Amino acid sequence: DAGVTQSPTHLIKTRGQHVTLRCSPISGHKSVSWYQQVLGQGPQFIFQYYEKEERGRGNFPDRFSARQFPNYSSELNVNALLLGDSALYLCASSFGGTNTEAFFGQGTRLTVV
Amino acid sequence: AQSVTQPDIHITVSEGASLELRCNYSYGATPYLFWYVQSPGQGLQLLLKYFSGDTLVQGIKGFEAEFKRSQSSFNLRKPSVHWSDAAEYFCAVGAGDYKLSFGAGTTVTVRA
Repeated sequence: DAGVTQSPTHLIKTRGQHVTLRCSPISGHKSVSWYQQVLGQGPQFIFQYYEKEERGRGNFPDRFSARQFPNYSSELNVNALLLGDSALYLCASSFGGTNTEAFFGQGTRLTVV
Repeated sequence: AQSVTQPDIHITVSEGASLELRCNYSYGATPYLFWYVQSPGQGLQLLLKYFSGDTLVQGIKGFEAEFKRSQSSFNLRKPSVHWSDAAEYFCAVGAGDYKLSFGAGTTVTVRA
């Protein structure tokens, strides 16, 4: 069975540019969450989507946005990139109810130069 | 708001020795607690979870953790460490909703 897949695995962007990261959840999972992991720190919650609706948002600026598609895949968009946006972006999928565990993808390593 | 503290930034242990990683959480109600492991450049793999019931939970790769409500702790243990256990370990707390709050992680180095 395929796990959570993220694309691309690595990318390099220039300050001020825009980036789109993609995530495909495990089959049957209806919830996707996004986390940012800066080097040397634990992951920080950015967004969760469930059944195509935003369920929660972390403490991130409006430059960060996301959406979920009818097939439950998701995109994370970041506008006006800053050097501080350089991080590993992790996607997690789950069934979406309470008492459910999150399964993480391998992440997208974003470097902003 | 929930939060997690992992007091040990880095632990070095000899292969075959026991390992214990500390985790303290802050949350007003019964938490959902998790331990994840991350190898360099990789995503997170769930080792074990606690939702309710028996406070000693068994996970994959020979790991176990004990939930102690009185101490707000959820420490991870392994009786005998293998070289392949070298990685970064994250404790996380969830409030039964959508958001996980992670600790800063503990890096484990295994020496031969």
